[in-house]
Amino acid sequence: DVKVTQSSRYLVKRTGEKVFLECVQDMDHENMFWYRQDPGLGLRLIYFSYDVKMKEKGDIPEGYSVSREKKERFSLILESASTNQTSMYLCASSLSLVAGGYEQYFGPGTRLTVT
Amino acid sequence: GESVGLHLPTLSVQEGDNSIINCAYSNSASDYFIWYKQESGKGPQFIIDIRSNMDKRQGQRVTVLLNKTVKHLSLQIAATQPGDSAVYFCAEKDRGSTLGRLYFGRGTQLTVWP
Repeated sequence: DVKVTQSSRYLVKRTGEKVFLECVQDMDHENMFWYRQDPGLGLRLIYFSYDVKMKEKGDIPEGYSVSREKKERFSLILESASTNQTSMYLCASSLSLVAGGYEQYFGPGTRLTVT
Repeated sequence: GESVGLHLPTLSVQEGDNSIINCAYSNSASDYFIWYKQESGKGPQFIIDIRSNMDKRQGQRVTVLLNKTVKHLSLQIAATQPGDSAVYFCAEKDRGSTLGRLYFGRGTQLTVWP
């Protein structure tokens, strides 16, 4: 079974702090994704990566950056956390399209609160 | 851009009844659709998917129907159980996508009562 793990289930940070959210997948997937989930808004894509050191902006990249130094790990960085970044953050991974990878596998999520 | 939405934000059914969760989409270039189930405190989990060259696909207690004419997708759950209570999301992929990006709807909260 594919396993996607996220470094923390719950996180509380202060405004202005630099925050790192880590995601690791164990199935050698090429694609990795970061979403945020807010009530009534569904899943919104922040960034995704299709290969090591490659990244693409999603729909709401402002205030975030990402890092993918190794294939299995995809990090989301909040350079200076703000209260409007309080949310549930979900990481996902999938195979490349060439390999038939359409389904995304999700981690359990990190609920981040910025005070 | 793509738009994936749901007709109803909440659905309540009695245990044992069949449930139907609907999803409308606007992108005629979508070639793949997927349903996820998200239980409270967990990440979304795959339920079933369907490609645009199909109209119907069945799994265990679940059926997905795709009507490309009216751009409508539905998830049918037979003999709904309390464990089916969750938020259900539909998502679509654009045929032109080279990176496998999915576009998600806002979700429907399914509540099963005894």
